[in-house]
Amino acid sequence: NAGVTQTPKFQVLKTGQSMTLQCAQDMNHEYMSWYRQDPGMGLRLIHYSVGAGITDQGEVPNGYNVSRSTTEDFPLRLLSAAPSQTSVYFCASSYSPNGQRGMNTEAFFGQGTRLTVV
Amino acid sequence: AQSVAQPEDQVNVAEGNPLTVKCTYSVSGNPYLFWYVQYPNRGLQFLLKYITGDNLVKGSYGFEAEFNKSQTSFHLKKPSALVSDSALYFCAVRPDRGSTLGRLYFGRGTQLTVWP
Repeated sequence: NAGVTQTPKFQVLKTGQSMTLQCAQDMNHEYMSWYRQDPGMGLRLIHYSVGAGITDQGEVPNGYNVSRSTTEDFPLRLLSAAPSQTSVYFCASSYSPNGQRGMNTEAFFGQGTRLTVV
Repeated sequence: AQSVAQPEDQVNVAEGNPLTVKCTYSVSGNPYLFWYVQYPNRGLQFLLKYITGDNLVKGSYGFEAEFNKSQTSFHLKKPSALVSDSALYFCAVRPDRGSTLGRLYFGRGTQLTVWP
């Protein structure tokens, strides 16, 4: 049981390049989320998903796309990287014990991807 | 708007002394409340949560937190701090109703330093 796995751990991009941050979980959790962590800002929600085929925007979605074709995977795509997207990105998953939306447990986090855009 | 406040960017305490890391929130309804810890270059680790019931909840590594509904606070405490407790601590809340149902909102984090 690997939990939440993020790849890559580190990445340097040039402005304008695109890339995909991978996130996979093997716990059969229906909820998955992407956050970015910036100094003094805490974690801010980028996008989240309540199940395969369902995604929604969080607080800071601009410049990012997501899709959820399977329960296990939730990739985050940067369409055209900008220096403002330099950050540490975390993927998280959780589940709802009784199946009710929003009644989910604590989130399990991946180890993070440190992205630098130059 | 949903918000979580951690009023102290840094908390410094001597080993063996009690510690408190403060958290207040402004969220619709009766939210779920969480504390997470982050060690350098690592992801966030769950410490404890409050959903319902006893206002004092106990979690990992000897930490506990007290929920106060009237003050909308959820302060993290430990009776006797260890140097190994030094880390970044995040308070988080999850609304139980409304358009943001299910989302997790984080405070900005409090850096705890425990000196020997």
